[in-house]
Amino acid sequence: KQEVTQIPAALSVPEGENLVLNCSFTDSAIYNLQWFRQDPGKGLTSLLLIQSSQREQTSGRLNASLDKSSGRSTLYIAASQPGDSATYLCAATNTGNQFYFGTGTSLTVIP
Amino acid sequence: DAGVIQSPRHEVTEMGQEVTLRCKPISGHDYLFWYRQTMMRGLELLIYFNNNVPIDDSGMPEDRFSAKMPNASFSTLKIQPSEPRDSAVYFCASSLGRVQPQHFGDGTRLSIL
Repeated sequence: KQEVTQIPAALSVPEGENLVLNCSFTDSAIYNLQWFRQDPGKGLTSLLLIQSSQREQTSGRLNASLDKSSGRSTLYIAASQPGDSATYLCAATNTGNQFYFGTGTSLTVIP
Repeated sequence: DAGVIQSPRHEVTEMGQEVTLRCKPISGHDYLFWYRQTMMRGLELLIYFNNNVPIDDSGMPEDRFSAKMPNASFSTLKIQPSEPRDSAVYFCASSLGRVQPQHFGDGTRLSIL
């Protein structure tokens, strides 16, 4: 069974800092990997989706990379802002169409 | 675009009662997913549908749980009888195709007393 791990569980940074969130998965036979943001009391908002054939995706200040061979994905946030404070989750979709979420990284950006 | 709509937003009921959660996916989306989120277990996929047909229900915890999608614009997740350990936030999500991002509703916070 696919295991998805996110480290650290919580992260606090000052505003303006660049940061990296990590996601590891045990089964490299993935179909895609997706990064989400979850605000308190809300559902998940999709940020970036990387297909297995891709190495990275970018959207604004966000950049997500995928290294299937090492079972890792990273989410890079440039010039962090207080509005970026949220929980970030990654999810791997196996080729068998099964979805596995990490437990998330809670990010706090301090003004 | 109204987004994925879930109802109710909150549900508090006593153990043994039947609970029905509802979801309206984004119009035109052909995939619908039901998730459960708890502090202990994180986010778990319960079941998903493609074109109203259940594809994988291996995440449904017990026979007490059932899900239906009678048409492309409506799905239900039912728990009967409910138990305190079913307390969680239940999310519905939809997507246009398997490879496209999933769009989530705001969830139903379920408390079983």
